[in-house]
Amino acid sequence: EAGVAQSPRYKIIEKRQSVAFWCNPISGHATLYWYQQILGQGPKLLIQFQNNGVVDDSQLPKDRFSAERLKGVDSTLKIQPAKLEDSAVYLCASSFREREGFYEQYFGPGTRLTVT
Amino acid sequence: GENVEQHPSTLSVQEGDSAVIKCTYSDSASNYFPWYKQELGKRPQLIIDIRSNVGEKKDQRIAVTLNKTAKHFSLHITETQPEDSAVYFCAARNFGNEKLTFGTGTRLTIIP
Repeated sequence: EAGVAQSPRYKIIEKRQSVAFWCNPISGHATLYWYQQILGQGPKLLIQFQNNGVVDDSQLPKDRFSAERLKGVDSTLKIQPAKLEDSAVYLCASSFREREGFYEQYFGPGTRLTVT
Repeated sequence: GENVEQHPSTLSVQEGDSAVIKCTYSDSASNYFPWYKQELGKRPQLIIDIRSNVGEKKDQRIAVTLNKTAKHFSLHITETQPEDSAVYFCAARNFGNEKLTFGTGTRLTIIP
């Protein structure tokens, strides 16, 4: 099966500019996640969608980050305005909820953002 | 919320020897514990997972053990090979909120 797709793969912007990332999950996966992975650290969940509804966005810096998942398929994550500390890899993942509630998260290749 | 600690942060092992990575978690409601392998510049990939109703799980050269009482779980890699060199992340998930919390990662280097 096709994997999780993300674009762009790399992005370099100046601080205070805006940027948007796109994710296309695996077909049929209702749950979609955006993670931020700073160099040398583990992925940190920013937002979780179930279909087109937000399940958890407690760690999303809402003053500058926004995300949407229209029609419950593709998703976009936006940063406006960007700060130097936003430099990281942004990973999108999706999962299919099994009957017992256990599932595997499949990750996309990520978007490496550099803010200068 | 859940807090996952992972040790060591770096590990060098002679090829053919075993490697052990340990994680502890704080939320007793966590019931699913996956391990991910991330090669340089690539996406994290699930290598093995364990659920809270099982104490040990093995898949060829890798195994995971879980001690619910002590709230810790470990990854064991035997007969290590150069291709095992990567960063390994443990994670814990609470069934109630389905949120996956990752550890800080272990950089494993296999010395030929």
